[in-house]
Amino acid sequence: DVKVTQSSRYLVKRTGEKVFLECVQDMDHENMFWYRQDPGLGLRLIYFSYDVKMKEKGDIPEGYSVSREKKERFSLILESASTNQTSMYLCASGLGVTNEKLFFGSGTQLSVL
Amino acid sequence: AQTVTQSQPEMSVQEAETVTLSCTYDTSESDYYLFWYKQPPSRQMILVIRQEAYKQQNATENRFSVNFQKAAKSFSLKISDSQLGDAAMYFCAYTGTASKLTFGTGTRLQVTL
Repeated sequence: DVKVTQSSRYLVKRTGEKVFLECVQDMDHENMFWYRQDPGLGLRLIYFSYDVKMKEKGDIPEGYSVSREKKERFSLILESASTNQTSMYLCASGLGVTNEKLFFGSGTQLSVL
Repeated sequence: AQTVTQSQPEMSVQEAETVTLSCTYDTSESDYYLFWYKQPPSRQMILVIRQEAYKQQNATENRFSVNFQKAAKSFSLKISDSQLGDAAMYFCAYTGTASKLTFGTGTRLQVTL
């Protein structure tokens, strides 16, 4: 059974902390994505990656960075967490040029106090 | 840039009845995929149905079917014989040559007895 695993289901951090959200997939997918989900706004793309050590900005990259040192792992980094980064974060991985089959993790609900 | 619009924030349907969720999109591409994803309270995103733009025939998956109107850029989801387990957030999504999935803002579906 295919799996995308996000390291934490719930996370509480303080303003100014450096936060790491980890995502691991076991399907040998080239493509990995980070979205944030907010009520009324749907899912918005933060960053994505098509290969190891490669990254591309999505629609809302400000305040975030990413790391992909190994194919199976894609990390989202909040360099200095702020309260407006309180959100649900979803990781996904996929195959193919158009990612017509995307697999999602179960999300990390991050609260920044 | 591609946009996906879901104009119904909430919908309600009685058990065993039929409901249609609306989605429109904007693109200048001719080749793309459209999706409906379901997100139950567990937060796990589940692919409900997928439509390739070059296929004229509307996709169906058991009780789920779409009405794909390419010229009108419309992609609605019909759920027949609604069940309590269909209650969830439903997201319409688009992917094209840019290979990233763009989501709508979601429709929350309630199923009543």
